[in-house]
Amino acid sequence: DVKVTQSSRYLVKRTGEKVFLECVQDMDHENMFWYRQDPGLGLRLIYFSYDVKMKEKGDIPEGYSVSREKKERFSLILESASTNQTSMYLCGSGGSYEQYFGPGTRLTVT
Amino acid sequence: AQRVTQPEKLLSVFKGAPVELKCNYSYSGSPELFWYVQYSRQRLQLLLRHISRESIKGFTADLNKGETSFHLKKPFAQEEDSAMYYCALGGGGTSYGKLTFGQGTILTVHP
Repeated sequence: DVKVTQSSRYLVKRTGEKVFLECVQDMDHENMFWYRQDPGLGLRLIYFSYDVKMKEKGDIPEGYSVSREKKERFSLILESASTNQTSMYLCGSGGSYEQYFGPGTRLTVT
Repeated sequence: AQRVTQPEKLLSVFKGAPVELKCNYSYSGSPELFWYVQYSRQRLQLLLRHISRESIKGFTADLNKGETSFHLKKPFAQEEDSAMYYCALGGGGTSYGKLTFGQGTILTVHP
């Protein structure tokens, strides 16, 4: 059974803070993804990684960066959090298109 | 560019009624299409994919390349089908399993 875990379920940060969201998968998947989930907008891809230290921008990378130092771990970094980054963040991992998701982190930036 | 459109944000039906969640896509290559579902307080999970041609929880979806659609159907809706449904499109080649999701449809099945 695939497990994708995210470091926090709920997070409240102040504007300008640096924020780290961690994701860990236990199925040896090469591909990992970070999405934002917003009502009416669906899931939008922020960044994805297809191998250790390899990453590509998704559809909305502005204001975010990522790190993948180990195969099982993919981190999303908000360099300077802003209120428009308040959202639900989903991490996913997968092989050929079937993606497995974490429970999500609801981030509130005040 | 890949695009997925789910025209209905909300869909309400009564238990036992047929339900159809619409999905249209735009893609120049050979598409791979999926439906994902998120039940209340649960994580997003795969419901079905077009290549398997399975029926999962009574749901089916047929890929219509002429109409570029992949509508999700169930003949008799159940209350436990109430959830958020996302249609997703995958491309071929070096897309690394990247998916493009639609905006989602919230299905509510009333008793």
